[in-house]
Amino acid sequence: GAVVSQHPSRVICKSGTSVKIECRSLDFQATTMFWYRQFPKQSLMLMATSNEGSKATYEQGVEKDKFLINHASLTLSTLTVTSAHPEDSSFYICSAPGYGSTDTQYFGPGTRLTVL
Amino acid sequence: RKEVEQDPGPFNVPEGATVAFNCTYSNSASQSFFWYRQDCRKEPKLLMSVYSSGNEDGRFTAQLNRASQYISLLIRDSKLSDSATYLCVVTYGGATNKLIFGTGTLLAVQP
Repeated sequence: GAVVSQHPSRVICKSGTSVKIECRSLDFQATTMFWYRQFPKQSLMLMATSNEGSKATYEQGVEKDKFLINHASLTLSTLTVTSAHPEDSSFYICSAPGYGSTDTQYFGPGTRLTVL
Repeated sequence: RKEVEQDPGPFNVPEGATVAFNCTYSNSASQSFFWYRQDCRKEPKLLMSVYSSGNEDGRFTAQLNRASQYISLLIRDSKLSDSATYLCVVTYGGATNKLIFGTGTLLAVQP
C-alpha cells in the first residue's frame, strides 16, 4: 500500500532554533498533504493543509509565520517550526489522501519534537 | 463545544468482553465518518469507515445515526491486542479530505 515517510522521527533542539520536518509520499503523488499536531493525552489537531504549487491553508489559531509550510513537489511537503519554544514540543504528523479517494488517508509515522 | 466528542475513558475490560464506544459530532454537514486506532506514540491507523446502514468487520461493528449525529463502535470478544486509543473521525469540506479527530477513548484489555 501507499507509504508516507517523515524525517526526522525525533528531534531535540534548544529554544529559539528552527526545526524542519519533511513529509514524503513514497510511491504516489500528493497535491495535498495535511499537518497535524498532537499534545500528550490529546487528540490530533489539524494545523494546516499543504497545497502543491500554492500557499498552505492554516487552521484558525495556527500562526502561519511560525509554522512555515512548503509543498515543493508532488511528493514532498515540509513544516518548519521557527524559533521553537518549549510549548511547541509535540508530536507532529503528516498525512496524504489516497488518489481519488475521500476515505483513504496515509499517515506518516510522526515526528516527536522536544524543545529544551 | 468540541467538534467531535468522545468519552476519554479509560475503559478497562477483561479479555473476551464486549465494549462499546460512543461519539457525537457537532457539524451536521459532516460527510464521512471513521474509526481510527492509535497505539502509544504511533500514527493513527484506519480501523473502519462508518455508514448509516452499519458495517461490520470481524469483531468490530460500527454504526452511524445522522439524525442524532452519533457514531458508535462495538468490539466483541476483546483481545489484549485491542488495547489502544480509538479515535472517532469525521470529515467535511468536499474533496479536501480534512479529518477532524475526536479526543479518543483509551481501551485497556486486561488478561
